[in-house]
Amino acid sequence: QVQLVESGGGVVQPGRSLRLSCAASGFTFSSSGMHWVRQAPGKGLEWVAIVSHDGTNKYYADSVKGRFTIARDNSKNTVYLQMNSLRAEDSALYYCAKGFGTSYSDWGPGTLVTVSS
Amino acid sequence: QSALTQPASVSGSPGQSITISCTGTSSDVGYYNYVSWYQQHPGKAPKLMIFDVTNRPSGVSNRFSGSKSGNTASLTISGLQAEDEADYYCSSYTSGSTTYVFGTGTKVTVL
Repeated sequence: QVQLVESGGGVVQPGRSLRLSCAASGFTFSSSGMHWVRQAPGKGLEWVAIVSHDGTNKYYADSVKGRFTIARDNSKNTVYLQMNSLRAEDSALYYCAKGFGTSYSDWGPGTLVTVSS
Repeated sequence: QSALTQPASVSGSPGQSITISCTGTSSDVGYYNYVSWYQQHPGKAPKLMIFDVTNRPSGVSNRFSGSKSGNTASLTISGLQAEDEADYYCSSYTSGSTTYVFGTGTKVTVL
């Protein structure tokens, strides 16, 4: 069965950086695009970024473009989200999700990021 | 890129049918047959319920169905059950600057 486990969240000051990881198992990781989706406390879902199955294509939400970088290591079955110049509005639960066409077929439990001084 | 518009809340009695709308534009919902729907119970990760407008993943009850007309997609839950009480989100691929967009979310209450 598909399993996705995020890690790397925590409390960070505005302007600092954080790197999230998502370890995948139970499917052929190198064949699937992978997404990051976030949810601020009590708010709705917001798509953040996608990386193609081979890592060559990456797309971002306008709200994070130029600050966040998505990457993957198919040898480690892991997808990453490097978050720089963090702002208070980036505080959220960050989910990684397995791409299925243009939908998200499986989700991890999420990792919480809090940006606060 | 603005979020797709959903009603904040929808309610129904057990056994009834309810429909949740998801309104976008001609750049997303109206152009692509790439609308998906997600169910999220409190404190849990979202679950895929419908993909590509009308398709149900294996294991999802056939009480859930999807459709689309113009710039508006819809999720219908028939034979409403207590376990259907949750938040529901639509999502679409978009030709806008943001590649994917979610709806604002709808809280479904079973009376």
